[in-house]
Amino acid sequence: NAGVTQTPKFRILKIGQSMTLQCAQDMNHNYMYWYRQDPGMGLKLIYYSVGAGITDKGEVPNGYNVSRSTTEDFPLRLELAAPSQTSVYFCASQGGRLSYEQYFGPGTRLTVT
Amino acid sequence: GNSVTQMEGPVTLSEEAFLTINCTYTATGYPSLFWYVQYPGEGLQLLLKATKADDKGSNKGFEATYRKETTSFHLEKGSVQVSDSAVYFCALSTGNQFYFGTGTSLTVIP
Repeated sequence: NAGVTQTPKFRILKIGQSMTLQCAQDMNHNYMYWYRQDPGMGLKLIYYSVGAGITDKGEVPNGYNVSRSTTEDFPLRLELAAPSQTSVYFCASQGGRLSYEQYFGPGTRLTVT
Repeated sequence: GNSVTQMEGPVTLSEEAFLTINCTYTATGYPSLFWYVQYPGEGLQLLLKATKADDKGSNKGFEATYRKETTSFHLEKGSVQVSDSAVYFCALSTGNQFYFGTGTSLTVIP
C-alpha cells in the first residue's frame, strides 16, 4: 500500500512552458485535492475532486487545470508557467466526506524561471 | 467563512520544555479540528484530531481539546524532544474541504 504518490519530486520550468504533475493513490479514496505551499505560508487549495469525473475549484485555481478520469489518478496541469507558480505542490486524498483525515503525498517542488 | 488562525513562529524551546501552540478558528456549522505535522522535506501527517466539542485528541504526547466556547484548539506537550522539531499546522474540516493555518515552526534544542 503506497498511499499517495507524486511525480516528479523536483522540476525546473522556463516561463511559458507547460507540464503535468502526477498524483495517484491506492486507497480507493473518492476525494482528492491539490494544494500549493509557498515559503513560510500555509496550504492553499487549488482544485479538488469528490469522485471520478467531478472536479471543482479551490481558492487559487487560476493557471491550473485538473481532470479525474479514474478514482486513482488526479493530475494537475500547468499551462504557460509563470514565476508566481514557483511553489511546493501537495496532492492529498480523503476516504469520504466524514473520513476526517487527509493523506498527503511527499510533494513536488517546482521552480519557474 | 471558514478560517484558522494559529500562533506565528518560529518557536525555539529547550528539550523537556512545555509546548503550547495556539489555534483559533472561525467556521459555519460544526467542524472537525486537526493538528498536522510536517517534517523537513516531507508532506503533512495527521498528528491528532477532534470531531466534536469537548473532545480531546492525543498522540505521541501531544494533546489538544476542542473548545467551542472559545473557538480554540490549542496544541500542548508537556516535555518536547529534539525529534519534535517540525512545522505544525492547525486545520478544520466541514466535510468537503480542509482549511489550514499558516503553520508554526518549532525547533527543539538539546
